[in-house]
Amino acid sequence: GAVVSQHPSWVICKSGTSVKIECRSLDFQATTMFWYRQFPKQSLMLMATSNEGSKATYEQGVEKDKFLINHASLTLSTLTVTSAHPEDSSFYICSASWRGRTDTQYFGPGTRLTVL
Amino acid sequence: GNSVTQMEGPVTLSEEAFLTINCTYTATGYPSLFWYVQYPGEGLQLLLKATKADDKGSNKGFEATYRKETTSFHLEKGSVQVSDSAVYFCALTFNDYKLSFGAGTTVTVRA
Repeated sequence: GAVVSQHPSWVICKSGTSVKIECRSLDFQATTMFWYRQFPKQSLMLMATSNEGSKATYEQGVEKDKFLINHASLTLSTLTVTSAHPEDSSFYICSASWRGRTDTQYFGPGTRLTVL
Repeated sequence: GNSVTQMEGPVTLSEEAFLTINCTYTATGYPSLFWYVQYPGEGLQLLLKATKADDKGSNKGFEATYRKETTSFHLEKGSVQVSDSAVYFCALTFNDYKLSFGAGTTVTVRA
């Protein structure tokens, strides 16, 4: 099946710094990429949807200025957590699809963010 | 709103045992239902799906039937293997890309 990678797989940063997470579709062109957040022992929560070349659509309650999403090409989307705080510590997962179809959504392995 | 409830884990089984993971949903209308699996160190993969009532999804020996009357989509496998050790997620969507996930159930199969 299609492969989606994330980098880094884990990151530790100091409070107040910004962290960028990359999501790449390795063998297909992703017209749509999704960013999820997962808390321990909880379900994945959709944060935002990004379409290549346009602004991301954020879910209710997700701060746009806090979580900056850029989908600059058909194979790359980035999530930047700005001025990170300990409450931003979480597992961030991206997925990619074409034509926005749920059954063709391919997931990355996730990035563990720890903010000290 | 829409929500998915899965049985809590972790679940530990011996090889060749029968596996059931319960999943129920709350939704207005009739969503499409999915099971995703996440093997250690990998991303979530679609395991099976069902798009309407009474549909049965199946893959790799796993099955789940869309039960409208009980709003359930329980996952079953008759004889598990060590390689089935993973985290399993139940999810739903309404004809769009927004997936609502359950909390996930960790399954460990011992040889």
